[in-house]
Amino acid sequence: NAGVTQTPKFQVLKTGQSMTLQCAQDMNHEYMSWYRQDPGMGLRLIHYSVGAGITDQGEVPNGYNVSRSTTEDFPLRLLSAAPSQTSVYFCASSWGRSALHEQYFGPGTRLTVT
Amino acid sequence: SQELEQSPQSLIVQEGKNLTINCTSSKTLYGLYWYKQKYGEGLIFLMMLQKGGEEKSHEKITAKLDEKKQQSSLHITASQPSHAGIYLCGAAPPTGKLIFGQGTTLQVKP
Repeated sequence: NAGVTQTPKFQVLKTGQSMTLQCAQDMNHEYMSWYRQDPGMGLRLIHYSVGAGITDQGEVPNGYNVSRSTTEDFPLRLLSAAPSQTSVYFCASSWGRSALHEQYFGPGTRLTVT
Repeated sequence: SQELEQSPQSLIVQEGKNLTINCTSSKTLYGLYWYKQKYGEGLIFLMMLQKGGEEKSHEKITAKLDEKKQQSSLHITASQPSHAGIYLCGAAPPTGKLIFGQGTTLQVKP
């Protein structure tokens, strides 16, 4: 099993550009989520999904879109990148349809917006 | 909304010393998780506590849950350089959204 994979590992964007961060898991997990990590602020939940076709907002959803067309994939889209979106992004997954289980994290994507 | 406060924010200890990290919740805890993150990497699950008074150990790391105080503590005995990293507590309230504390950065000096 590859676990949770994220691509790319690093990305530099200019303000206003759009891009998609990819996340995939091969564990047949129902629950998937996206977090951003900023210094001194821990991990903040952006969006999450409890299964294919179902997504919901987390603490900091503005400027981000998600979709869940398959169980395996949960891409995160930045519509118009802003410097405030410079961060490290983590995707996570777990079995069950809630966060009440061990979360498996991807290695992260380090994004810089200039 | 629920918030988790970790203390201390950072910690530098001499190898071989014991240390404790605390995680305090603003609301009732239904499940408390501890994760470790090595610099530049993803998070690794350490343990989960669900019942008040519950205590779990993994190698030299012990975590306890005090439900009344809405608090959990992570204790490392005889710290080693391999223990260095960022420790994060997480909680899953009934809404099912997992939230995290701001993290505690641990450095262990050889």
